[in-house]
Amino acid sequence: GAGVSQTPSNKVTEKGKYVELRCDPISGHTALYWYRQSLGQGPEFLIYFQGTGAADDSGLPNDRFFAVRPEGSVSTLKIQRTERGDSAVYLCASSFSGGDREQFFGPGTRLTVL
Amino acid sequence: KNQVEQSPQSLIILEGKNCTLQCNYTVSPFSNLRWYKQDTGRGPVSLTIMTFSENTKSNGRYTATLDADTKQSSLHITASQLSDSASYICVVTRKGGNAGNMLTFGGGTRLMVKP
Repeated sequence: GAGVSQTPSNKVTEKGKYVELRCDPISGHTALYWYRQSLGQGPEFLIYFQGTGAADDSGLPNDRFFAVRPEGSVSTLKIQRTERGDSAVYLCASSFSGGDREQFFGPGTRLTVL
Repeated sequence: KNQVEQSPQSLIILEGKNCTLQCNYTVSPFSNLRWYKQDTGRGPVSLTIMTFSENTKSNGRYTATLDADTKQSSLHITASQLSDSASYICVVTRKGGNAGNMLTFGGGTRLMVKP
């Protein structure tokens, strides 16, 4: 498809477990962003990739969160030792070159930590 | 501090009626302002983008306005349809740099259109 895709769409896990969330950006987009959105709120920035490197990871809440983009396309957000407070929708977005170019969002992964 | 405030938080209107959503921001330096529509369980989709020099822009039944002096924007929806039920998020982009957090998101207005 032409849009940003994310898998899984829903993930339920138990407290303390490890989870991986995947994002497939729009082909040719060098910039990729991860956001976290709590119910009734706007998305909060987590991390930004330009190509393969994390250009800005200032939004990651703590060292349990990590993301990779080894080949400059698909990205994986990894959460270790999940906590109930990690429950949220995790959105991925991509843009052609970063900066103030329009970001196109995926449908999100709804993570529930029991 | 860069902030985007939206009002109302939620709104219920009858099908066919018009409504206006508000957005106030303090983001600086300003690059552009976008209104996004987010359907339940979906990612946000851009409706309009406005730069500093633009006062109004339309996209079908959606009309956005921008007053860069007062740092206010509005989104007017005309002749609402059931499919307009969604959250509408105001997003302001800072100018310059290549940081990841250049976008500041409002909390959204949740609109429900009833038949």
